Amino acid sequence: GENVEQHPSTLSVQEGDSAVIKCTYSDSASNYFPWYKQELGKRPQLIIDIRSNVGEKKDQRIAVTLNKTAKHFSLHITETQPEDSAVYFCAATPYELNTASKLTFGTGTRLQVTL
Amino acid sequence: NAGVTQTPKFRVLKTGQSMTLLCAQDMNHEYMYWYRQDPGMGLRLIHYSVGEGTTAKGEVPDGYNVSRLKKQNFLLGLESAAPSQTSVYFCASSYGHPSSYEQYFGPGTRLTVT
Repeated sequence: GENVEQHPSTLSVQEGDSAVIKCTYSDSASNYFPWYKQELGKRPQLIIDIRSNVGEKKDQRIAVTLNKTAKHFSLHITETQPEDSAVYFCAATPYELNTASKLTFGTGTRLQVTL
Repeated sequence: NAGVTQTPKFRVLKTGQSMTLLCAQDMNHEYMYWYRQDPGMGLRLIHYSVGEGTTAKGEVPDGYNVSRLKKQNFLLGLESAAPSQTSVYFCASSYGHPSSYEQYFGPGTRLTVT
């Protein structure tokens, strides 16, 4: 089955700096890579996702890059703000049409944005 | 729309007791999932369903059973709870259309087994 590794486990940055979280996956059939943000005591929420036919995707201060050859993908947050403080999870799945997306999650990165 | 809801929010069980967690969604999603979240281990898929009347095993199914008698509900059962099942349980649902693979999560149920 799929195995997803995520680094670092904790990350502390100053407000306004950039943050980068990296994930690697093992199954070359994986083609869907979402990133979820989970605030303390809350549910995970999708912040951005990318499919294997795209190398990069941006949404305001958040971007995700994918390197299929190396089997790794990364989350980039620019101009970090205190409200970005949360745990971030990457995930991967070999998604097929008309089937459930059985996500394999990384172990999470706790991002702390300090003033 | 309430989205995905879970009942109960908290529960404490003694070893050997049984219980059922209820997940409900009002988005007419075909696919539903149960995950458990443990410190340092991310979310792991327990069971999932691709439609009413169907269930399938995920990554960590042992000790759990599920049922999906109605499209909007997905039940997770623990027949004989063990301390190793202490965790936060999240239900999720997804539409499954190629335009959106997003999974929507419920608020979670914190279960402690003593």
